[in-house]
Amino acid sequence: NAGVTQTPKFQVLKTGQSMTLQCAQDMNHNSMYWYRQDPGMGLRLIYYSASEGTTDKGEVPNGYNVSRLNKREFSLRLESAAPSQTSVYFCASISGGTDTQYFGPGTRLTVL
Amino acid sequence: GQQLNQSPQSMFIQEGEDVSMNCTSSSIFNTWLWYKQDPGEGPVLLIALYKAGELTSNGRLTAQFGITRKDSFLNISASIPSDVGIYFCAGQLTGTYKYIFGTGTRLKVLA
Repeated sequence: NAGVTQTPKFQVLKTGQSMTLQCAQDMNHNSMYWYRQDPGMGLRLIYYSASEGTTDKGEVPNGYNVSRLNKREFSLRLESAAPSQTSVYFCASISGGTDTQYFGPGTRLTVL
Repeated sequence: GQQLNQSPQSMFIQEGEDVSMNCTSSSIFNTWLWYKQDPGEGPVLLIALYKAGELTSNGRLTAQFGITRKDSFLNISASIPSDVGIYFCAGQLTGTYKYIFGTGTRLKVLA
């Protein structure tokens, strides 16, 4: 049982490049989330998926798209990366029975 | 957007001392979570609270869900060096799947 896994761990992009951050969970959780964490800002919700087949915007969705590929996987895509998207990105999922959220190890993204 | 005020922002304490931190909000939450984050790692869940007034312990950690459902506190007793890290509160907005996070309390323990 690996919990929540994220790939890649680190990534450097040039402005305008695109990339997809991958997230998978093996805990059979229904809800999955993408956050970004910036210094002194705590974690801010980008998008979430309450269940397979649904996605909704969080606090800071601009510049991002998501896909809930199946119950296990929830990907985050940057179509045209900007320096303001330099951040640490965390994926999380919820245990439906207790509404307790579990986090992956994060992806550290730098946009030059 | 929604705001969670977490305080203090940082604190230095002596090993063995007790620590207290809290979160307040203008919104009502139906779940409060407390996390610890070590450098380069994702947040790790410490305590989860599900009912107003609930008091829950996990070893040296104790947390309470405020009666008004707009606040929560976390206490750490007899701190040790490995308690160093950033502690976050998070509240689940009532009727939604959304969680709002506090800005964190950075704890440093002096041996």
